[in-house]
Amino acid sequence: KNEVEQSPQNLTAQEGEFITINCSYSVGISALHWLQQHPGGGIVSLFMLSSGKKKHGRLIATINIQEKHSSLHITASHPRDSAVYICAVRLRNTGNQFYFGTGTSLTVIP
Amino acid sequence: DVKVTQSSRYLVKRTGEKVFLECVQDMDHENMFWYRQDPGLGLRLIYFSYDVKMKEKGDIPEGYSVSREKKERFSLILESASTNQTSMYLCASSSASGTGIRDTQYFGPGTRLTVL
Repeated sequence: KNEVEQSPQNLTAQEGEFITINCSYSVGISALHWLQQHPGGGIVSLFMLSSGKKKHGRLIATINIQEKHSSLHITASHPRDSAVYICAVRLRNTGNQFYFGTGTSLTVIP
Repeated sequence: DVKVTQSSRYLVKRTGEKVFLECVQDMDHENMFWYRQDPGLGLRLIYFSYDVKMKEKGDIPEGYSVSREKKERFSLILESASTNQTSMYLCASSSASGTGIRDTQYFGPGTRLTVL
């Protein structure tokens, strides 16, 4: 059983659409990260959340600690947003370890 | 600008060969990690290190070993490569446990290893 579940696994959207990717986790966490992986493998960190909501450009990330759920939203999607988006949680009391979802592959069509 | 580098982007080896994957970070981070990434399975932790000469097993350490002789360098070793170790290998580093941006793991570009 994976501690971190993401949905959907694959997502295709038209340019300009509003996109939501969901992440649910089953354990106590100290922080949740959203990562972006472009073709070729490079991974960058988009957000780190421990509560509430963060916004960066067209990206918005929210977390509900009580419901153990986080969402990543992309407004006015663009083909350059096409990537794999990965949710990762840092477990409470483990200090250094992260657990990862399997990723959501997003394709934005012009 | 933060930087994590890996010695090779693509590597092809034969079954039974000894394989070294090198990772170097220039951020003076205490923690370093080795993951493998396979379709449908996401990122899985192989080993991590929280200090020089210290190492801890992750979720899938079998068939792998690691070395951390210097703070900036973390090596992953496949003692006798097998075909089921064909995968994308990603190295990451982070500062010691804390809050805020220091919590973030910074990833290298990955090494795609094929074992024939």
